[in-house]
Amino acid sequence: AQSVSQHNHHVILSEAASLELGCNYSYGGTVNLFWYVQYPGQHLQLLLKYFSGDPLVKGIKGFEAEFIKSKFSFNLRKPSVQWSDTAEYFCAVTYYGGSQGNLIFGKGTKLSVKP
Amino acid sequence: NAGVTQTPKFRVLKTGQSMTLLCAQDMNHEYMYWYRQDPGMGLRLIHYSVGEGTTAKGEVPDGYNVSRLKKQNFLLGLESAAPSQTSVYFCASSFRGWNTEAFFGQGTRLTVV
Repeated sequence: AQSVSQHNHHVILSEAASLELGCNYSYGGTVNLFWYVQYPGQHLQLLLKYFSGDPLVKGIKGFEAEFIKSKFSFNLRKPSVQWSDTAEYFCAVTYYGGSQGNLIFGKGTKLSVKP
Repeated sequence: NAGVTQTPKFRVLKTGQSMTLLCAQDMNHEYMYWYRQDPGMGLRLIHYSVGEGTTAKGEVPDGYNVSRLKKQNFLLGLESAAPSQTSVYFCASSFRGWNTEAFFGQGTRLTVV
């Protein structure tokens, strides 16, 4: 079955530290890739997406992600986190020709940033 | 522009009661989805629709029914609520199924006692 793995359940960082959250999807084929963020008590918001082209994708709030097809990975990065980045982050994938665009989510990574 | 609106935002049900969650979108999107979010589980797809009058099962459809009578609305029904259905429910919509992003509603927190 198709699946998405997020390597870290909970990450704790100090402000200004660099962030990298891992994401791997289960197998190859053509994919759309997403990172969503959920601030406490709120709905999911799109951070960035990859459809095709340049594998290095820049999103909102200084986040970026790199698609490495050979590793089935789409890791999220930010050079310097802020307290306001405290949230839960979800990686998601859609497979072409499969399930009508349905997003398959990872289980999420909770990020806590200490001021 | 409201985007995706879910009603209600909170609800407490007794075991065996029924209820309907409403999702409305004003973006003229073809595709609509219902997910449930449980701690440590991420979001799991319950049912989805690729257009008015169509519905299909997702990963965890048991105990739920859906209807898409109008393009802008997607209803999720619980006929006989169970404690295992205590969750946060999110509706989402997208313009199409590929090379497009999904927009999410604010969520409905449902507790079944």
